Amino acid sequence: AQSVTQLDSQVPVFEEAPVELRCNYSSSVSVYLFWYVQYPNQGLQLLLKYLSGSTLVKGINGFEAEFNKSQTSFHLRKPSVHISDTAEYFCAVSVEGGSEKLVFGKGTKLTVNP
Amino acid sequence: DAGVIQSPRHEVTEMGQEVTLRCKPISGHNSLFWYRQTMMRGLELLIYFNNNVPIDDSGMPEDRFSAKMPNASFSTLKIQPSEPRDSAVYFCASSLVPWAGELFFGEGSRLTVL
Repeated sequence: AQSVTQLDSQVPVFEEAPVELRCNYSSSVSVYLFWYVQYPNQGLQLLLKYLSGSTLVKGINGFEAEFNKSQTSFHLRKPSVHISDTAEYFCAVSVEGGSEKLVFGKGTKLTVNP
Repeated sequence: DAGVIQSPRHEVTEMGQEVTLRCKPISGHNSLFWYRQTMMRGLELLIYFNNNVPIDDSGMPEDRFSAKMPNASFSTLKIQPSEPRDSAVYFCASSLVPWAGELFFGEGSRLTVL
């Protein structure tokens, strides 16, 4: 069965610093991978997705992620964060590769301080 | 376009009472998902529908939980009787099939069972 591990539950950074949020997945089949963001008191919204093709995926708000099959990772990065990036970030994997049924990690709370 | 609409946004009830959560998916979307979010367990998929038909309800915790989708524009999640451990944020999400890799989430219903 597929699973997702987000290694850091909380990541504090200063404004304009780079950030990396780590995600590792476990799957015996080819996977689709996703990052979603949740702002306070809101639902989740898609940041970016990897379905196939280039392993470097660019998303909204300047975020990008790299799919690394050998390390089973899909880490999220941003070179310079803003206060408005403060939110919870969820990594997810599609069950049975291509299915719309997603398994989510437990989330990483990113706090950007001035 | 209106997004996924959930009601109520907040519900406080007493143990033993019936709770009904409602969801209106995005018009034209043919898959609908119910997720539960708690601090301890993160985001869990409870059930999902495709063209109003339940496809996978393996995440429904027990018989106290039931979900229906009588038509393409409305779904309910019912808990009867409710228990304190049901306290959580319940999210509804919808998507298009064939799936393009994105779930669209509502803002959630925060349930507190006293």
